[in-house]
Amino acid sequence: DSGVTQTPKHLITATGQRVTLRCSPRSGDLSVYWYQQSLDQGLQFLIQYYNGEERAKGNILERFSAQQFPDLHSELNLSSLELGDSALYFCASSVASGQGRNTEAFFGQGTRLTVV
Amino acid sequence: AQKVTQAQTEISVVEKEDVTLDCVYETRDTTYYLFWYKQPPSGELVFLIRRNSFDEQNEISGRYSWNFQKSTSSFNFTITASQVVDSAVYFCALSGAFYNNNDMRFGAGTRLTVKP
Repeated sequence: DSGVTQTPKHLITATGQRVTLRCSPRSGDLSVYWYQQSLDQGLQFLIQYYNGEERAKGNILERFSAQQFPDLHSELNLSSLELGDSALYFCASSVASGQGRNTEAFFGQGTRLTVV
Repeated sequence: AQKVTQAQTEISVVEKEDVTLDCVYETRDTTYYLFWYKQPPSGELVFLIRRNSFDEQNEISGRYSWNFQKSTSSFNFTITASQVVDSAVYFCALSGAFYNNNDMRFGAGTRLTVKP
């Protein structure tokens, strides 16, 4: 158990709909990452938050958005869903200090999203 | 831009064979971090090791060993006396210093199959 909790584990929804994926980081971790894993794209970095602020942005679509709340949990919102958005979405957290050290990230078990 | 290349898409070995998974990286950062993760068939991503750019010492952990060579920008992973339980997809990842380039970029992964 990595200590990172993602809900729900599975989600099936129709095209055009909107969903919210939730992530609770490990206790004490300030940094949260979101990744998308699909069969043909590998692990794609979407976005990262540190202590409530957006820190880095990857290949995140405009239809997707995320935020990190004061209690450090994070949500990834996916809207106007398309069939191609079907994937495994991972959240990860790390200590990632402000002193420059970048630490390893621990991953949740993922949310498998199926768009039908 | 940061990039990780895992040229070996799939490797198949017989139990007890040694196997090396290759990882080549590109970065302009002088401070960076390299990681290996394991994704077994169950789907979770398991952290294996982190290596800092300023520490080229190789590391051994049981049957696992890692060879970091800055001169060739490589961070290879060797499993000695492989076992069926080692069957998984292995990912190499790279990130910069937290204050500079924080997102963690993954290679495409190498699928290792260990046959009994």
